[in-house]
Amino acid sequence: TQLLEQSPQFLSIQEGENLTVYCNSSSVFSSLQWYRQEPGEGPVLLVTVVTGGEVKKLKRLTFQFGDARKDSSLHITAAQPGDTGLYLCAGFLHGSGNTGKLIFGQGTTLQVKP
Amino acid sequence: GAVVSQHPSWVICKSGTSVKIECRSLDFQATTMFWYRQFPKQSLMLMATSNEGSKATYEQGVEKDKFLINHASLTLSTLTVTSAHPEDSSFYICSARDGGHYGYTFGSGTRLTVV
Repeated sequence: TQLLEQSPQFLSIQEGENLTVYCNSSSVFSSLQWYRQEPGEGPVLLVTVVTGGEVKKLKRLTFQFGDARKDSSLHITAAQPGDTGLYLCAGFLHGSGNTGKLIFGQGTTLQVKP
Repeated sequence: GAVVSQHPSWVICKSGTSVKIECRSLDFQATTMFWYRQFPKQSLMLMATSNEGSKATYEQGVEKDKFLINHASLTLSTLTVTSAHPEDSSFYICSARDGGHYGYTFGSGTRLTVV
């Protein structure tokens, strides 16, 4: 069973479109992170959300942590070809103290066509 | 910011040989490092947790005798794939936690191809 369900797993859109990626769980997380990974590289941290209901913005990217800290979303406005990559959500289960194992979602492969 | 250096970035080896991958935290100490395996367009799969000065903790289904992990110092963990076979070909990534933030810093990965 997947502790963090990430959807969609594949997304192909045109430049300028908006998109949302979701991460859902039945478990509570003390924090959730979003990473972006390009082929042949390691994941790079985009943002960490810690507080239920928290919203963080990073240029055209908006990240939200659910009130109950069981889900998170990533919204990209006016996607550009440079946004193409694998997006990963990951988190620490509540009680693991942010020093335990990161739980990963399945990943979302995003392709933005010019 | 925290930097994790992974070496080599790619390696090709013959079946039956062993390959060592290094993971170094460059500007911080890491008592714990993690080793992942990743297949194309898939998420990371945790293989083991590397603990400085003690034995690694392996995830279920990961052969500890095949994937040897050594964490001899606070800045270096190594993963040795022993008697490699073509099915071991994959992208291996390490990570370490910088005590200053909630996320983990990842190495750039090692593409292993066994021929």
